Amino acid sequence: GQNIDQPTEMTATEGAIVQINCTYQTSGFNGLFWYQQHAGEAPTFLSYNVLDGLEEKGRFSSFLSRSKGYSYLLLKELQMKDSASYLCAGPSGNTPLVFGKGTRLSVIA
Amino acid sequence: DGGITQSPKYLFRKEGQNVTLSCEQNLNHDAMYWYRQDPGQGLRLIYYSQIVNDFQKGDIAEGYSVSREKKESFPLTVTSAQKNPTAFYLCASRVSSGGYNEQFFGPGTRLTVL
Repeated sequence: GQNIDQPTEMTATEGAIVQINCTYQTSGFNGLFWYQQHAGEAPTFLSYNVLDGLEEKGRFSSFLSRSKGYSYLLLKELQMKDSASYLCAGPSGNTPLVFGKGTRLSVIA
Repeated sequence: DGGITQSPKYLFRKEGQNVTLSCEQNLNHDAMYWYRQDPGQGLRLIYYSQIVNDFQKGDIAEGYSVSREKKESFPLTVTSAQKNPTAFYLCASRVSSGGYNEQFFGPGTRLTVL
């Protein structure tokens, strides 16, 4: 099956910029999703990239390179409330989304 | 408001008892999913259903069972055969399984087996 890899943990300072990477096998995925999950809560949708390039939504941007099997989530002007896990997930044909294990981001003062 | 509901939020059961977790959606979605999440772990797929009266095993189906008699409902039964059932269980739904369809999640049920 498809493999999705993300770093397990990251730490960044309030007000800074952080980039969370996600790599996957290039065959089979029709784009890439990013979700945010606060501890003890359900994941919530952040973005979906189906074409190559950067998509910006306020403080959050997501990038996709389909040929390289690579995506990243960019968080600007970090706030304490951004401390959460960030999950990337790939849709593959008519099968369920394949999720990475998530990157736990800690924002410190 | 449309959405997915799971109840209860916290559930305690004695070892050896079967327990059923409910999941209801009023989004008119065809596809529904059950995931299990353990501390510090990602989402692991238990079962999924792409249409009423049909469902498939996910990666960790052993010790679990589901039914999909109605489009809106996809209950999950955790049986006594599940060796380590204590976990956070998430239900999700999508319009359909293919292509760009955002997946929506319910609030989750935290099951503790004593």
